[in-house]
Amino acid sequence: DTAVSQTPKYLVTQMGNDKSIKCEQNLGHDTMYWYKQDSKKFLKIMFSYNNKELIINETVPNRFSPKSPDKAHLNLHINSLELGDSAVYFCASSQGGGRYSPLHFGNGTRLTVT
Amino acid sequence: GQQVMQIPQYQHVQEGEDFTTYCNSSTTLSNIQWYKQRPGGHPVFLIQLVKSGEVKKQKRLTFQFGEAKKNSSLHITATQTTDVGTYFCAGPTGNQFYFGTGTSLTVIP
Repeated sequence: DTAVSQTPKYLVTQMGNDKSIKCEQNLGHDTMYWYKQDSKKFLKIMFSYNNKELIINETVPNRFSPKSPDKAHLNLHINSLELGDSAVYFCASSQGGGRYSPLHFGNGTRLTVT
Repeated sequence: GQQVMQIPQYQHVQEGEDFTTYCNSSTTLSNIQWYKQRPGGHPVFLIQLVKSGEVKKQKRLTFQFGEAKKNSSLHITATQTTDVGTYFCAGPTGNQFYFGTGTSLTVIP
């Protein structure tokens, strides 16, 4: 039974398009995250969200927006895709914001913008 | 903002050699976690350290948290090909959870 699942696994699209990546966790965690991993393997936090608060990393363009229909889901919507958005995007969840519990990651979505 | 640096960025070792990666934070951390990401995979939690000066072992892996809680290290004794991957340290600052820059380990059989 998958703990953190994200879809799609691969996403190839053209510049200027709008796309969404879905994420669901069945661990009952209170915090979910989106990370971007570039070609150098750097894992950069984009958002963290619990049922009370959305924390946005200030370097994330406002073309990126998280949407959470409920505490088990945190989807990522991207407007006007650019070449530099090509990366692997990971969803993750934890209990308590990672302070005393580990993050559980999804398998990632490889986004390629052409 | 929060910065968590790791050195080296890449390491190639002969199978059987030891390996160490070092993690340094610009701020004091309440706790530090280590993750391993296999090629093509996702980060997987290895261990968490909470106390100043804490040392934990998992078989051939030894993890250490610095006295000032701003640095940490992971040491692998007698590497095996199964150790291949990228190792990340990570820690919370405020409401965010930051990952180090990672060390990619290649083990040559």
